[in-house]
Amino acid sequence: KAGVTQTPRYLIKTRGQQVTLSCSPISGHRSVSWYQQTPGQGLQFLFEYFSETQRNKGNFPGRFSGRQFSNSRSEMNVSTLELGDSALYLCASSPDRAGTQYFGPGTRLLVL
Amino acid sequence: GQNIDQPTEMTATEGAIVQINCTYQTSGFNGLFWYQQHAGEAPTFLSYNVLDGLEEKGRFSSFLSRSKGYSYLLLKELQMKDSASYLCAVLNSGGYQKVTFGIGTKLQVIP
Repeated sequence: KAGVTQTPRYLIKTRGQQVTLSCSPISGHRSVSWYQQTPGQGLQFLFEYFSETQRNKGNFPGRFSGRQFSNSRSEMNVSTLELGDSALYLCASSPDRAGTQYFGPGTRLLVL
Repeated sequence: GQNIDQPTEMTATEGAIVQINCTYQTSGFNGLFWYQQHAGEAPTFLSYNVLDGLEEKGRFSSFLSRSKGYSYLLLKELQMKDSASYLCAVLNSGGYQKVTFGIGTKLQVIP
């Protein structure tokens, strides 16, 4: 099976812009989680989607949003970008609600 | 809330054994994961413990004590390629996929 894919892999934006990141989970996996990873904070949970419904949300401002499509593909959007949003954004999929997560390669976002 | 503690850095010698500890405090617990993350790469799954005791998988073993809120990852016969960050992560109870990660332990294996 193909692994989790994320696009784009690298992105440079300026403050105030918005960005959309995409994640395609492993075929058959219905749960998709998003994480932000920075050197100082480690992996921070953003949200989790299961069957197109957001089941959990981390402690991030409303500028961070996401959605999941019927084919389990997921997108996350960050509006009004801030310098502090520069990070590696990782998507992880799992076959069920509480299973092992398989991570994609991530999207490295740089906000200037 | 969730609180996960693990050492930020460790150094060990090739061929040796190293133990990476993780302690956690959580309002609900449904299992503990260990992931390996090489620099610039995505985390990859190593182990999952939900019951107390030791799980062995080749050179890697993981231990869990739920009553103590404690886990460790044991790496034997260290190889240079084991240099990576090791992430401890707790799965919340409740059936939803909310995993809280520790900040990770950066392990450097030296010759």
